[in-house]
Amino acid sequence: EIVMTQSPATLSVSPGERATLSCRASQRVSSNLAWYQQKPGQAPRLLIYGASTRATGIPARFSGSGSGTEFTLTISSLQSEDFAVYYCQKYNNWPALTFGGGTKVEIK
Amino acid sequence: EVQLVESGGVVVQPGGSLRLSCAASGFTFDDYAMHWVRQAPGKGLEWVSLISWDGGSTYYADSVKGRFTISRDNRKKSLYLQMNSLRAEDTALYYCAKDSWDSSGYLAAWGQGTLVTVSS
Repeated sequence: EIVMTQSPATLSVSPGERATLSCRASQRVSSNLAWYQQKPGQAPRLLIYGASTRATGIPARFSGSGSGTEFTLTISSLQSEDFAVYYCQKYNNWPALTFGGGTKVEIK
Repeated sequence: EVQLVESGGVVVQPGGSLRLSCAASGFTFDDYAMHWVRQAPGKGLEWVSLISWDGGSTYYADSVKGRFTISRDNRKKSLYLQMNSLRAEDTALYYCAKDSWDSSGYLAAWGQGTLVTVSS
């Protein structure tokens, strides 16, 4: 079973600053990696799939990179609406989907 | 606009049963595989189950295998989750989610969830 580990658990960032979130897979998942954003009281929203492709309507300040076992989500200049929990998810051996534990991005 | 609306969540006693529903609109329902994903209070996301576009293939997380059954009615554009032998650890917000266009496994759209509480 592939385990997805996200770090840090909490990231404190000032508005306008850059945020870098990490996701590590215990085995190679190629580029079969997605990122989701979840705000309090809301459902998750797809941000990135294929490790680096932005979903429809996602602002360019969100970018994803990596392949194999190491992945990064970067938010280039944090806006107030970006403070949320972010999850990575691997999907290389569909149908078993696995999520990381999440990174909470909070206001510094 | 894609819409997924879950219903059926209630408070149920341990050992009880429940059926969740998800009504889909805004896309060609029978073109897509569909999932259930749950989130325990204050916790992360856990994949629960998947059904293929035609209902011919179903898959489950080990934690629910043998207790939950996923199904769909493409004529009604609806997804279901029959939950039996419920346990306290099944308490969660249950989301239905639409798979990607190529059924690769990323979840392109989510409903708002329905809350299941298992408690005596």
